[in-house]
Amino acid sequence: AQTVTQSQPEMSVQEAETVTLSCTYDTSESDYYLFWYKQPPSRQMILVIRQEAYKQQNATENRFSVNFQKAAKSFSLKISDSQLGDAAMYFCALSAGNMLTFGGGTRLMVKP
Amino acid sequence: AAGVIQSPRHLIKEKRETATLKCYPIPRHDTVYWYQQGPGQDPQFLISFYEKMQSDKGSIPDRFSAQQFSDYHSELNMSSLELGDSALYFCASSPGLGVYNEQFFGPGTRLTVL
Repeated sequence: AQTVTQSQPEMSVQEAETVTLSCTYDTSESDYYLFWYKQPPSRQMILVIRQEAYKQQNATENRFSVNFQKAAKSFSLKISDSQLGDAAMYFCALSAGNMLTFGGGTRLMVKP
Repeated sequence: AAGVIQSPRHLIKEKRETATLKCYPIPRHDTVYWYQQGPGQDPQFLISFYEKMQSDKGSIPDRFSAQQFSDYHSELNMSSLELGDSALYFCASSPGLGVYNEQFFGPGTRLTVL
């Protein structure tokens, strides 16, 4: 079984500042992917960034980057130069088979 | 680019009624997944299909059934609806099974049971 834990129910950041969202996971699989999804008020699930477990290099997508610590089973998301449009629910997810297991989510608020 | 289509987008039902949710995957995607997201909760995996066969089963109630048709669209049938079934139901599709295949999510169907 896989578990994903997000210990921060809510976070806030000032516009243009940097914020880091935490995620830890557990799986017995050696082959897996990790994802961060954004869910805005529209509730559409939008993929932000993905990380292959076998890759040591941390993934980066424009202002979004991850810190993947495989031994610690940690997968945090860093958002740089935060924008008002970044305000949303963020879910960390693990794919270690044919389904996604999600964490409980972190609500990010961006202050102007 | 074409995305996953779900219909209807909103559905209101009474307790003990039945509901059918439909999902049309991205063209050439042969794998479909269903997730349920209750109010204030994270999405929970229900069931998946690959090449019209059930692939994996999660926390899907016995009152629910699903199938994938020859054109790869999928339907989730929900009977004897309960208040607790009120949720956002996501469908996702991918070009095959396996951890390497990214799942693309549809916009969801919001089901309200009164």
